[in-house]
Amino acid sequence: NAGVTQTPKFRVLKTGQSMTLLCAQDMNHEYMYWYRQDPGMGLRLIHYSVGEGTTAKGEVPDGYNVSRLKKQNFLLGLESAAPSQTSVYFCASARDRGPRPQHFGDGTRLSIL
Amino acid sequence: AQSVTQLGSHVSVSEGALVLLRCNYSSSVPPYLFWYVQYPNQGLQLLLKYTTGATLVKGINGFEAEFKKSETSFHLTKPSAHMSDAAEYFCAVTGSNNNDMRFGAGTRLTVKP
Repeated sequence: NAGVTQTPKFRVLKTGQSMTLLCAQDMNHEYMYWYRQDPGMGLRLIHYSVGEGTTAKGEVPDGYNVSRLKKQNFLLGLESAAPSQTSVYFCASARDRGPRPQHFGDGTRLSIL
Repeated sequence: AQSVTQLGSHVSVSEGALVLLRCNYSSSVPPYLFWYVQYPNQGLQLLLKYTTGATLVKGINGFEAEFKKSETSFHLTKPSAHMSDAAEYFCAVTGSNNNDMRFGAGTRLTVKP
């Protein structure tokens, strides 16, 4: 049972490039989340989804887009990467709206030069 | 809206000593509180949670936390530190909805031999 799997684990981009981060969960969870983790700031919510075909903005959504075409997958896109988006990105899932613990992936380290 | 303040970005203890990691929260609704642990290059793992009921909550690896409404605190303790406890610890708070979960900035625990 893999839980939450994030792909890729590391990536280096140049400013202006685009990329998509993939999150997959095998727990049949309804809710999925994308966070970014920056030193001294904890985790901040970028976007989330309450079910297949739905997405919503979190605390820091600017510069990111998301899609949830399948229940088990949640994609995070950067259309034009900026150095300020250098961060560690975590995906998480939860069975329902909560309040429940969230299950986290191991993260994607993204550097933008 | 909810928020969390973790006092002390770094805490260092000797092996066998008491571990005390501080968390204070702010919430306009009854809070649900969580402690997560993050080991290097991994995602967050749930240590313990307070939702309702008993205010002293026991978690994994010998950790426990006490919800004190009058002090708006949810401090994490462990009677005797082990080398394997070295990690970063995050306190989180939400209301009834996971989509509003807020994380503290984290406390890095170092355990000296």
